[in-house]
Amino acid sequence: RKEVEQDPGPFNVPEGATVAFNCTYSNSASQSFFWYRQDCRKEPKLLMSVYSSGNEDGRFTAQLNRASQYISLLIRDSKLSDSATYLCVVTDNYGQNFVFGPGTRLSVLP
Amino acid sequence: GAVVSQHPSWVICKSGTSVKIECRSLDFQATTMFWYRQFPKQSLMLMATSNEGSKATYEQGVEKDKFLINHASLTLSTLTVTSAHPEDSSFYICSALLLGGTGANVLTFGAGSRLTVL
Repeated sequence: RKEVEQDPGPFNVPEGATVAFNCTYSNSASQSFFWYRQDCRKEPKLLMSVYSSGNEDGRFTAQLNRASQYISLLIRDSKLSDSATYLCVVTDNYGQNFVFGPGTRLSVLP
Repeated sequence: GAVVSQHPSWVICKSGTSVKIECRSLDFQATTMFWYRQFPKQSLMLMATSNEGSKATYEQGVEKDKFLINHASLTLSTLTVTSAHPEDSSFYICSALLLGGTGANVLTFGAGSRLTVL
């Protein structure tokens, strides 16, 4: 089993749609969790950290379920500019080694 | 916020030559930096972990004699692709670990270096 797995994608959605990405991880002792986004031919950029209580940043909501080893990202009212690859990232139990999922590509269509 | 500068952004070189890529943390000290490679439409692949003042830790399958990593200071790590060949053409990205203190550690990326070997 891979350390971090994500929905294979791609997701093609119309503007304004709500889209959810799922991620599972294998290391039950993982300490920290993040969502990064990567635009084509660019570096990954931190979108948001994911906390156990769940957290929201504008149109983006992240959830963590430690018992199920599952992370999600919800994007509401999607914009064309949300088109990117979304990377689920999990650290080891020391929070020092970061493991990236393969990413899920999102295309928001006009 | 934490900024990581990577240079050069683009490089084209002849087969057999060596190319050095620099990764600098501009406003924080980074004892740990990571080097990744990404081929078109593929996932980010960790090549090695660079630790200041010690030898880098390479991932399985990555040749340490071909990809030389030096992390001589708390703000600079370099990756040298030695005797580059066309199959080394790729997008190389560095990242630096920003220690969070009481909060989570965060990974900040450089803008990447696109290497084309002719």
